[in-house]
Amino acid sequence: AQSVTQLGSHVSVSEGALVLLRCNYSSSVPPYLFWYVQYPNQGLQLLLKYTSAATLVKGINGFEAEFKKSETSFHLTKPSAHMSDAAEYFCAVSDSGTSGSARQLTFGSGTQLTVLP
Amino acid sequence: EADIYQTPRYLVIGTGKKITLECSQTMGHDKMYWYQQDPGMELHLIHYSYGVNSTEKGDLSSESTVSRIRTEHFPLTLESARPSHTSQYLCASSEGRLALDEQFFGPGTRLTVL
Repeated sequence: AQSVTQLGSHVSVSEGALVLLRCNYSSSVPPYLFWYVQYPNQGLQLLLKYTSAATLVKGINGFEAEFKKSETSFHLTKPSAHMSDAAEYFCAVSDSGTSGSARQLTFGSGTQLTVLP
Repeated sequence: EADIYQTPRYLVIGTGKKITLECSQTMGHDKMYWYQQDPGMELHLIHYSYGVNSTEKGDLSSESTVSRIRTEHFPLTLESARPSHTSQYLCASSEGRLALDEQFFGPGTRLTVL
């Protein structure tokens, strides 16, 4: 079974400050990991994904995440927050070991990012 | 830009009504999904489909049903809506069956049952 824990349901940062959103996962096999962003009244959009190539993954809008197997973490960072980054962010894990049938994503409960002027 | 559409975007109905939430995608994706999302909670998979005439229940038990008669269309139906069905419903699709495939999401339908 796989699971995702996002520490901090709400995170506030000042504009220009570092953004750090935490995600820890549990998986019995090597995982695939994703970060999605959801803006108000919209669906989810993929920011980036880890698929066992490079451990540091760069995504859209200046975000990146580092896969750390020893810490079972996949934290999302951005060096300098913009007002437009205010949204809800979801970490998700998919089980790479399952064969044949449909692959399922397991989502965390989300982190609401507020960017203060 | 993903081309996946959901209608209606917002729906307020009374208890006992039958409703169908529509989802269509123009990308030719075989896999489609329905998620239920409550505020501050994770997304829960309620239904998915490998392709035409294939549907499966997800992790979260749901009283809704789905059908997949055409590749591009994956409607969700509630035969008799109840207040406990109040939630946001998100539809998604992906190109393949691999665990690393990106899912593309529609904008969601926010359902309120009075």
